Amino acid sequence: NAGVTQTPKFQVLKTGQSMTLQCAQDMNHNSMYWYRQDPGMGLRLIYYSASEGTTDKGEVPNGYNVSRLNKREFSLRLESAAPSQTSVYFCASSEAGTKTYEQYFGPGTRLTVT
Amino acid sequence: KQEVTQIPAALSVPEGENLVLNCSFTDSAIYNLQWFRQDPGKGLTSLLLIQSSQREQTSGRLNASLDKSSGRSTLYIAASQPGDSATYLCAVMDSNYQLIWGAGTKLIIKP
Repeated sequence: NAGVTQTPKFQVLKTGQSMTLQCAQDMNHNSMYWYRQDPGMGLRLIYYSASEGTTDKGEVPNGYNVSRLNKREFSLRLESAAPSQTSVYFCASSEAGTKTYEQYFGPGTRLTVT
Repeated sequence: KQEVTQIPAALSVPEGENLVLNCSFTDSAIYNLQWFRQDPGKGLTSLLLIQSSQREQTSGRLNASLDKSSGRSTLYIAASQPGDSATYLCAVMDSNYQLIWGAGTKLIIKP
């Protein structure tokens, strides 16, 4: 079972460059999420998608855009990367209506902006 | 606004000891609480999930408790081993089904 996959695993960008982080899940979940994790901090929600065709801002959305391409895929785009966006990015998915709403996480993308 | 705090930020204990990690939250209106493990440079491994109606969950040497009224959860690790060394994260799911995270406790088990 692949679960939640993320690409790339590592990326180095220069300030001002753009890139898209890809996330896909094979569990037929409706909801998907993007988080960032900074040293010494818990995860913070960037954007989420409760269902295909919908997206909503989380706690720290500035500087990011998202696309829910279809039920399986949810991408995160940095239009003009800044050093403050150096972080580890995690994608997650969950199924609304289950007893637990448990979220399942991908392995993460480690992004460095110089 | 829900806030989640984990104390201590770091803990070092000799192998074989039993230990307790703490998690506190400010708003008792939670849907569930989850404990995760994160190894250096790695992703997240879910350890235990406690529904708001439950008081505890157990998995092997791990036991997690939940006291909603006091806004506290503990993760008890019995007979600690060097392989338990990792960062342990606590996350509460609020009434909007969003996860709010603590900063974690970095645990080192000394052989």
